[in-house]
Amino acid sequence: DGGITQSPKYLFRKEGQNVTLSCEQNLNHDAMYWYRQDPGQGLRLIYYSQIVNDFQKGDIAEGYSVSREKKESFPLTVTSAQKNPTAFYLCASSRAGTGGSREQFFGPGTRLTVL
Amino acid sequence: KNEVEQSPQNLTAQEGEFITINCSYSVGISALHWLQQHPGGGIVSLFMLSSGKKKHGRLIATINIQEKHSSLHITASHPRDSAVYICAVGGSQGNLIFGKGTKLSVKP
Repeated sequence: DGGITQSPKYLFRKEGQNVTLSCEQNLNHDAMYWYRQDPGQGLRLIYYSQIVNDFQKGDIAEGYSVSREKKESFPLTVTSAQKNPTAFYLCASSRAGTGGSREQFFGPGTRLTVL
Repeated sequence: KNEVEQSPQNLTAQEGEFITINCSYSVGISALHWLQQHPGGGIVSLFMLSSGKKKHGRLIATINIQEKHSSLHITASHPRDSAVYICAVGGSQGNLIFGKGTKLSVKP
């Protein structure tokens, strides 16, 4: 079955530690996205990638980093520079396109808690 | 001003009721999306539309481009429809710009 997987589902981190969230898709999609969700707020874009070996900052990229070495994979690293990392993180993918004109498929999410 | 506004924020209905969730946006768009988020957090796409109306089962989505407004209707609501419904529009980076969501609870 095609889809997007994220791991782990729950992640606990001590302050000052970097952590990496995994996102894998087997939908053969060119575009991948990372969103952050906080209570009472809409999802916000962290980073996106329209093609392998290229990615762009979204609205809230500070304290995060990504890589796109393979089409199927788009891992997100939450660094110690991110001041308030406790949140729900969602990965999504879509066929290439602009302006949100492509249906996006979402992973199940990773809930990160900083202790 | 948020680019995507949804109303109401919270909605409680009795099973069988007709439900309407509204979405207004302030930017030009190529498409508007309706998404459903279940309590576990997973999100599924319900509709993507750029004009007119789409129907899938008991769900109907409409859009008025001139008024920059869309509605999601649920007919004969059921407790399993309880979820957060999210409206989103296309951003300039190919991403989606999301509303804050409408939390729907359908009581038996």
